[in-house]
Amino acid sequence: GAVVSQHPSWVICKSGTSVKIECRSLDFQATTMFWYRQFPKQSLMLMATSNEGSKATYEQGVEKDKFLINHASLTLSTLTVTSAHPEDSSFYICSVRGQGHYGYTFGSGTRLTVV
Amino acid sequence: SQQGEEDPQALSIQEGENATMNCSYKTSINNLQWYRQNSGRGLVHLILIRSNEREKHSGRLRVTLDTSKKSSSLLITASRAADTASYFCATDGTGANSKLTFGKGITLSVRP
Repeated sequence: GAVVSQHPSWVICKSGTSVKIECRSLDFQATTMFWYRQFPKQSLMLMATSNEGSKATYEQGVEKDKFLINHASLTLSTLTVTSAHPEDSSFYICSVRGQGHYGYTFGSGTRLTVV
Repeated sequence: SQQGEEDPQALSIQEGENATMNCSYKTSINNLQWYRQNSGRGLVHLILIRSNEREKHSGRLRVTLDTSKKSSSLLITASRAADTASYFCATDGTGANSKLTFGKGITLSVRP
């Protein structure tokens, strides 16, 4: 399957600032990537589907102006949490849909803490 | 939205015992996958079962799928303390725009 690199693995930011999380497909041209959010002791909730060269598709209830997704190349999708607040503190995980038996490869996740 | 509903939500067993976790889902699927997640860490893919399959084995793992009941089960035999983790089922839909939807998860504690 694909090799997916997610960066940073953890970040602490002040309330009101913006944070960018990168998801790279290292060995596979990914036309579709996914962004999930996971609050403590909860499951992964799909936030949006990131499509290369077009606008992301957001799940119901996810604010597209707050969670900006850019998928400008076949190897990189970024998620920017704008004007972050403590309630945005969460574990964010990206996923690439592509080759391999399982069909999906996940990044290692980013722990965001907003103080 | 979440697709799968696992039960139990928490399971505590003694090392060496078997652990059975169940998952139910609502819509048609292409396949169903089980993942493990250690606390605060990323996901580890365990096993995938396709909609036309009924049972699969991988080492100490056995997964079943009943599409008529829209349910799956994951059996971990001869559990170890290292199996302590959260386990999630995830369904992959059909079609070009399919996406992986996760259930709520089960927290497994294996006591040494």
